[in-house]
Amino acid sequence: QAVVTQEPSLTVSPGGTVTLTCGSSTGAVTSGHYPYWFQQKPGQAPRTLIYDTSNRQSWTPARFSGSRLGGKAALTLSGAQPEDEAEYYCLLSYNGAWVFGGGTKLTVL
Amino acid sequence: QVQLVQSGSELKEPGASVKVSCKASGYIFSNFAMNWVRQAPGQGLEWMGWINTNTGNPTYAQGFTGRFVFSSDRSVSTAYLQISSLKAEDTAVYYCAREREGYWGQGTLVTVTS
Repeated sequence: QAVVTQEPSLTVSPGGTVTLTCGSSTGAVTSGHYPYWFQQKPGQAPRTLIYDTSNRQSWTPARFSGSRLGGKAALTLSGAQPEDEAEYYCLLSYNGAWVFGGGTKLTVL
Repeated sequence: QVQLVQSGSELKEPGASVKVSCKASGYIFSNFAMNWVRQAPGQGLEWMGWINTNTGNPTYAQGFTGRFVFSSDRSVSTAYLQISSLKAEDTAVYYCAREREGYWGQGTLVTVTS
């Protein structure tokens, strides 16, 4: 089974920019992996921010953007806000089988 | 708008069974697969598998065969997760999540304790 890797933790200053990445043990992440990004705050269900690499959900603030960068999926947060402090999970689809990354704990400090 | 509403928390003894429901609204239920995801206390997200809501055909991820059963009922736009022979390690929040745009249910906490 494929392994999806994320940075365990990152810190960003308020108003700053940070990029979270999502790699695949099988090689480069492609559009065929339909990368997703989810935000989860303590005690809450995950919330989809990005699907299919770069599509925002209706509730996703414009400061979040998704892309592919250097063979990985990437989530860029531009202009971090205190409320963006959360756990972020990526997900890749392998012919319909979902594999989640281990999550990135993002601190806004 | 798309909504997935799950059944409430469950407290079960080891060896019992539980059935979690996920009622969909705001879209044509049978047009989209439904995934199930587990999150153990303090842990990450783990994909359990999915069900084709049109045919009712389930697909289980590694580690979720045998005691786990996915089903669906198109007439009430609801997907189900049944877990039998519950163990303490099944204690977790279980989520349904629709494919494509990634809509999630609010989660159902299943606690297994004697």
